[in-house]
Amino acid sequence: GNSVTQMEGPVTLSEEAFLTINCTYTATGYPSLFWYVQYPGEGLQLLLKATKADDKGSNKGFEATYRKETTSFHLEKGSVQVSDSAVYFCALSDPGGGADGLTFGKGTHLIIQP
Amino acid sequence: DTGVSQDPRHKITKRGQNVTFRCDPISEHNRLYWYRQTLGQGPEFLTYFQNEAQLEKSRLLSDRFSAERPKGSFSTLEIQRTEQGDSAMYLCAGGQVTTEAFFGQGTRLTVV
Repeated sequence: GNSVTQMEGPVTLSEEAFLTINCTYTATGYPSLFWYVQYPGEGLQLLLKATKADDKGSNKGFEATYRKETTSFHLEKGSVQVSDSAVYFCALSDPGGGADGLTFGKGTHLIIQP
Repeated sequence: DTGVSQDPRHKITKRGQNVTFRCDPISEHNRLYWYRQTLGQGPEFLTYFQNEAQLEKSRLLSDRFSAERPKGSFSTLEIQRTEQGDSAMYLCAGGQVTTEAFFGQGTRLTVV
């Protein structure tokens, strides 16, 4: 079956540091890939997505590239801010497309210190 | 604000009682999804609807769980004879066929 593995947290960084959160997946076919973010006290929000190999999703300074050869979708940001503190979830959809039954990783808690 | 609202936000119930949660997506969301999230885990898919049709329900956790979307608008998730292991956050998400899912803030269930 489908699965997503992401680095465990918490990840603690200083403001303006470079961020990488690793995500690898197992799926049959070619799923779409997503990063969701959950800020304290709020619901899950889509951060970015990529629907095919070599696509790069980007939003709010975050980027992730769909790497089919390494089955990865690592999240990066060049300079993090305190406001980026949140839990980040990597997810994939069934290769049929859309958002049917997303499979999520366990989440990575990111803490940015001033 | 994703436009998806869930009610109640918190529910405490005694073991063996039945509980029902409600989800209201926006009118454009012809798809509606239910997930469960336990502490330290990512959301786990339970079921989804396209309009009023429940297209996937094999992932519901047991026959104590059921969901409805009678008019293709709001949806309810019912858990009968609750157990302590049912304590979790229950998330609803709305969307369209070609878009991502928009999540509500969830209902936190505590079974005592």
